[in-house]
Amino acid sequence: GAVVSQHPSRVICKSGTSVKIECRSLDFQATTMFWYRQFPKKSLMLMATSNEGSKATYEQGVEKDKFLINHASLTLSTLTVTSAHPEDSSFYICSAATPLDGKNIQYFGAGTRLSVL
Amino acid sequence: AQKITQTQPGMFVQEKEAVTLDCTYDTSDPSYGLFWYKQPSSGEMIFLIYQGSYDQQNATEGRYSLNFQKARKSANLVISASQLGDSAMYFCAMREGGSSASKIIFGSGTRLSIRP
Repeated sequence: GAVVSQHPSRVICKSGTSVKIECRSLDFQATTMFWYRQFPKKSLMLMATSNEGSKATYEQGVEKDKFLINHASLTLSTLTVTSAHPEDSSFYICSAATPLDGKNIQYFGAGTRLSVL
Repeated sequence: AQKITQTQPGMFVQEKEAVTLDCTYDTSDPSYGLFWYKQPSSGEMIFLIYQGSYDQQNATEGRYSLNFQKARKSANLVISASQLGDSAMYFCAMREGGSSASKIIFGSGTRLSIRP
């Protein structure tokens, strides 16, 4: 079954609005979660590392004020795309490593397809 | 800096044949992990197989096996007896260190198409 749950799977919004995406770890606590962005026919690009109880660590070139990350509990991280514009349209996907297998395998949510009109 | 290279943008294979997807990596960290993920058209990232840098044996998971050649820094994925459902994008990824807080970096991917 799913180890990481992501919601919503698809969202269509108007330009200028904000969109929140949730990522939950199921049956395990994740002090760290990761957020990726994927453009069509491209690989996953790490946007930021979400840290429970502290500020997220953003990769170079990612605007932290545009992509707000909140990791308020050990099982939930949220990504908010603020004042979304058409260029923010993309596939966003989160991951977390479960310690249950002893190998810290990273499992991914099902992803969120964002379309900004 | 860590780096993952997949040199095959696309591959076509006949159903029931075996296929090898190439992956090379570069890191100076003696402790690292290598992953393969499958991404079908739905977009979800499906974990396939994992190899730790200190693992003595090649990892296997059902029809998937990882040909780990440490000295050559390669971690090729072998799929035996390919099926139509194997058609998807395949990504090789690497994590430096073994912590759950360590990020993983992805290769550019290989699109595998299985012919009936």
